[in-house]
Amino acid sequence: GENVEQHPSTLSVQEGDSAVIKCTYSDSASNYFPWYKQELGKGPQLIIDIRSNVGEKKDQRIAVTLNKTAKHFSLHITETQPEDSAVYFCAAPQEGGNTPLVFGKGTRLSVIA
Amino acid sequence: NAGVMQNPRHLVRRRGQEARLRCSPMKGHSHVYWYRQLPEEGLKFMVYLQKENIIDESGMPKERFSAEFPKEGPSILRIQQVVRGDSAAYFCASSPSNNEQFFGPGTRLTVL
Repeated sequence: GENVEQHPSTLSVQEGDSAVIKCTYSDSASNYFPWYKQELGKGPQLIIDIRSNVGEKKDQRIAVTLNKTAKHFSLHITETQPEDSAVYFCAAPQEGGNTPLVFGKGTRLSVIA
Repeated sequence: NAGVMQNPRHLVRRRGQEARLRCSPMKGHSHVYWYRQLPEEGLKFMVYLQKENIIDESGMPKERFSAEFPKEGPSILRIQQVVRGDSAAYFCASSPSNNEQFFGPGTRLTVL
């Protein structure tokens, strides 16, 4: 089955700087990689995802890159703002297709004003 | 289009009681997943259902836990004879058929 590792576990950046969170996965058949943002007391919110037929996807200040050969994918947040402070989770399908997700352990991002 | 709805948001039970958690998926979504989250940890898959069918229950304990998603009405996660170790946040997610899973606000279960 799939195994997802996420680093770092905590990350502090100054407001306006960039933040990068990295994940690796084990199953080369995985083809869908979402990122979730979870604020305190709330459910995870899907912020961006990427499928294995592209190497990069961007949505305003957020981008995700995928390296299928190395089996890793990364979340990039530029021009960070205090409201970006949250826990971020990466995930990959347990077995590919429409299946349960296996989550990384999360990265707690703190943006310091 | 309303998001995924879960109720109750908070549930307190004494050891030995039953807990029932409800999840209404987004309109048009026929896939429902339940996950459990312990404090400071990631989400762990429990069970995957489609209407009237359990597709994958490999993450759900065999004893005391059950789930259903009837033809009409919400999906229910039921925990019988709760123990302190069941205290956690339980999230459900719904999906159309293309991988994207959208999460509800969760039910925070506290077992006294």
